[in-house]
Amino acid sequence: AQSVTQLGSHVSVSEGALVLLRCNYSSSVPPYLFWYVQYPNQGLQLLLKYTSAATLVKGINGFEAEFKKSETSFHLTKPSAHMSDAAEYFCAVNINQGGKLIFGQGTELSVKP
Amino acid sequence: AAGVIQSPRHLIKEKRETATLKCYPIPRHDTVYWYQQGPGQDPQFLISFYEKMQSDKGSIPDRFSAQQFSDYHSELNMSSLELGDSALYFCASSSGLAGDSNEQFFGPGTRLTVL
Repeated sequence: AQSVTQLGSHVSVSEGALVLLRCNYSSSVPPYLFWYVQYPNQGLQLLLKYTSAATLVKGINGFEAEFKKSETSFHLTKPSAHMSDAAEYFCAVNINQGGKLIFGQGTELSVKP
Repeated sequence: AAGVIQSPRHLIKEKRETATLKCYPIPRHDTVYWYQQGPGQDPQFLISFYEKMQSDKGSIPDRFSAQQFSDYHSELNMSSLELGDSALYFCASSSGLAGDSNEQFFGPGTRLTVL
């Protein structure tokens, strides 16, 4: 069975600093991996997705993630944090088209001025 | 571009009452998923439908049922509501012809409060 683990339920960075949100997955077959962002009292918005093409994936709002099979990781990064990046971030996995998403526990990102 | 529509956006019910949540997928999307997100929790998969047939089932209580109609909209029916059913309920849709990504597009959610 596949699963996702997000290390760190809360991450705090200063504005302009590097953002690194960690995600490790477990899957017996090549997975599809996703990062979603959720702002308070809002729905889930897709940031980026890995679909077995390029291992470095660029998403919206300056975010990117790198799929590393050897480390079973899909960490999310952004070179320079902005105040508007403060939100909850979820890593998710599924293993086949039409399949349910399995979410990690979420990481709350705080950005300090 | 059209997005996933959910109604109502907010719903307040008493214990043991019944609730119906509706989801209207993006046009031409044939797959609908329901997720439940409790306070401070990650979304948990409940159930999904493809071409009006149930395609997968997760941790959905027996008190809940759902279906997808001929126009592809879906309804989640919840009976004998309990305090623990208070949560944000998301609907997502995708197209069976979405290529290699199976991207799911999420609606804004229905916030259900059971008193």
